Amino acid sequence: AQKITQTQPGMFVQEKEAVTLDCTYDTSDPSYGLFWYKQPSSGEMIFLIYQGSYDQQNATEGRYSLNFQKARKSANLVISASQLGDSAMYFCAMREAYSSASKIIFGSGTRLSIRP
Amino acid sequence: ETGVTQSPTHLIKTRGQQVTLRCSSQSGHNTVSWYQQALGQGPQFIFQYYREEENGRGNFPPRFSGLQFPNYSSELNVNALELDDSALYLCASSLFEGLTKNIQYFGAGTRLSVL
Repeated sequence: AQKITQTQPGMFVQEKEAVTLDCTYDTSDPSYGLFWYKQPSSGEMIFLIYQGSYDQQNATEGRYSLNFQKARKSANLVISASQLGDSAMYFCAMREAYSSASKIIFGSGTRLSIRP
Repeated sequence: ETGVTQSPTHLIKTRGQQVTLRCSSQSGHNTVSWYQQALGQGPQFIFQYYREEENGRGNFPPRFSGLQFPNYSSELNVNALELDDSALYLCASSLFEGLTKNIQYFGAGTRLSVL
């Protein structure tokens, strides 16, 4: 069954440090996509980065990179040089290629707090 | 900003009432998905519309229904409101990019409180 697990309910990090947010997933579909979204207190879900299951290289988008370990079924988000504006909820999500409606399944999220 | 707008931003209803939430898609997007996010949880998929037809549904009862219009805007209707329907309702639009990619861009949501 399709499932996303985020085991860190909350994290505190010093400004300018790098931070890794953990995500593991479970699927029996060989083709799937993994996403990370950021949700500030305003509520809007902001797309950060995407990784396809057949992509050969780890995805990167500016300060965000995805550490994709397919055999371990993990897709950790790495934020380099954290900033105060990075304080938010972060959600890992997955879509299976052959699930109905190509719905996205979200994890329970990690609340990241950046200390000045 | 994503270009996805939702209205209203906040809404208070009483149990048993009906509510309609609205969403305008990002320009060029032909798919709209709706999600319910209870406090402290991740979003839960309600349903998706593609070219004005429902294209899949999550584990929500039939009193949750929707529409997509020719301009790809969308409505979420909830009948016979229950206290547990209190949540943030998120709309996301996307353009089909393949079976797995299909990046969804979200609006800021409508916060519904049922008293």
